[in-house]
Amino acid sequence: KQEVTQIPAALSVPEGENLVLNCSFTDSAIYNLQWFRQDPGKGLTSLLLIQSSQREQTSGRLNASLDKSSGRSTLYIAASQPGDSATYLCAVDNYGQNFVFGPGTRLSVLP
Amino acid sequence: DAGVIQSPRHEVTEMGQEVTLRCKPISGHDYLFWYRQTMMRGLELLIYFNNNVPIDDSGMPEDRFSAKMPNASFSTLKIQPSEPRDSAVYFCASGLGEKLFFGSGTQLSVL
Repeated sequence: KQEVTQIPAALSVPEGENLVLNCSFTDSAIYNLQWFRQDPGKGLTSLLLIQSSQREQTSGRLNASLDKSSGRSTLYIAASQPGDSATYLCAVDNYGQNFVFGPGTRLSVLP
Repeated sequence: DAGVIQSPRHEVTEMGQEVTLRCKPISGHDYLFWYRQTMMRGLELLIYFNNNVPIDDSGMPEDRFSAKMPNASFSTLKIQPSEPRDSAVYFCASGLGEKLFFGSGTQLSVL
């Protein structure tokens, strides 16, 4: 059974810092991995999707990497802003549409 | 498109009552998912549909839970009878391909 963990559980940084969020999964036979953002009281918004054949994806200040063999993914946020404050979840898809989510990392970016 | 629409946003009910949660997916999406989110267990997949057909309901916790998708634009999740341990945020998500789009969720409180 696929298990997804995320470290750290919470992170507080001053504005402008670069930061890295970590995601680990136990079964490396995945189709893809997605990073989501969740704001308080809201649903999840997909940020980046990495196919199993890819090593990384970039969108603006966000960069996600994937190392399938070691069961790891990282989300890099450059030049963090207070508006980046949210919970970030990773999700792995083992076989068509069955996404397993991690518990999330709660990020606070202080002005 | 208005995105995935869920109703109600909040539901407070008493133990033993029937609860019906509603979801309108994004037009053209062929997958629909129901998730439950709690502090203890995180985000869990309950059931998902493809082209209105239930594909995997292994996450439905008990026979008290049922879900239907009578057409491409509407789905319901019903709990009968409800129990306090059902209190959670229930999310509906729709997808085309591999990206998921979440609704804002229904906050359910069973007293």
